[in-house]
Amino acid sequence: SSELTQDPAVSVALGQTVRITCQGDSLRDYYGSWYQQKPGQAPVVVIYAKNTRPSGIPDRFSGSSSGNTISLTITGAQAEDEADYYCQSRDSSGNHLLFGGGTKLTVL
Amino acid sequence: EVQLLESGGDLVQPGESLRLSCAASGFTFSSSAMGWVRQAPGKGLEWVSVISGSGGSTYYADSVKGRFTISRDSSKNTVFLQLNSLRAEDTADYYCAKYSGTDKVFTHWGQGTLVTVSS
Repeated sequence: SSELTQDPAVSVALGQTVRITCQGDSLRDYYGSWYQQKPGQAPVVVIYAKNTRPSGIPDRFSGSSSGNTISLTITGAQAEDEADYYCQSRDSSGNHLLFGGGTKLTVL
Repeated sequence: EVQLLESGGDLVQPGESLRLSCAASGFTFSSSAMGWVRQAPGKGLEWVSVISGSGGSTYYADSVKGRFTISRDSSKNTVFLQLNSLRAEDTADYYCAKYSGTDKVFTHWGQGTLVTVSS
């Protein structure tokens, strides 16, 4: 399969924990990455290589992987975390990159 | 500081061509893979193409293969995307991004350039 599947929308209460998931067959073989995109802005990587945070990304963001699913967890969600989140990996050939359809996170 | 500045987006008619440019600075361009990702209005991200640091390897999404060509000029620290035979469904913001072949991630992104294909 050459698809990554995400829930279209997720909500979380301010200060609570939320998990955003991404499913795909290629995730059994390849690590995934997570990008945050706010309205009118370019995407920013928040997690890569399963659970590595770039400098400047708060430690409330973490990643995990199990089978064909990767997850982005935000522990203690803040208002500024409201954004679209996209997972990204490779297809089974390894030469084509894939993005999930995106999850719109609402912080209540 | 890594900076990526795209240019070249425009309104064109179906079947026409366009060349996008991305000027890079703040890192060793000649050893860095680069890529393009697009986003149609109100839609999600779609990978378009990646080129290796040497320029010797290129990869394309099936949706653009045979119509788009990625290239780079290390003397100008610039990556290009030639868009031919444009279709209405190619309308999107086109983002240039620095790609880590080691970690398989787009580490830095430009602000995008808008391509509109319409008659």
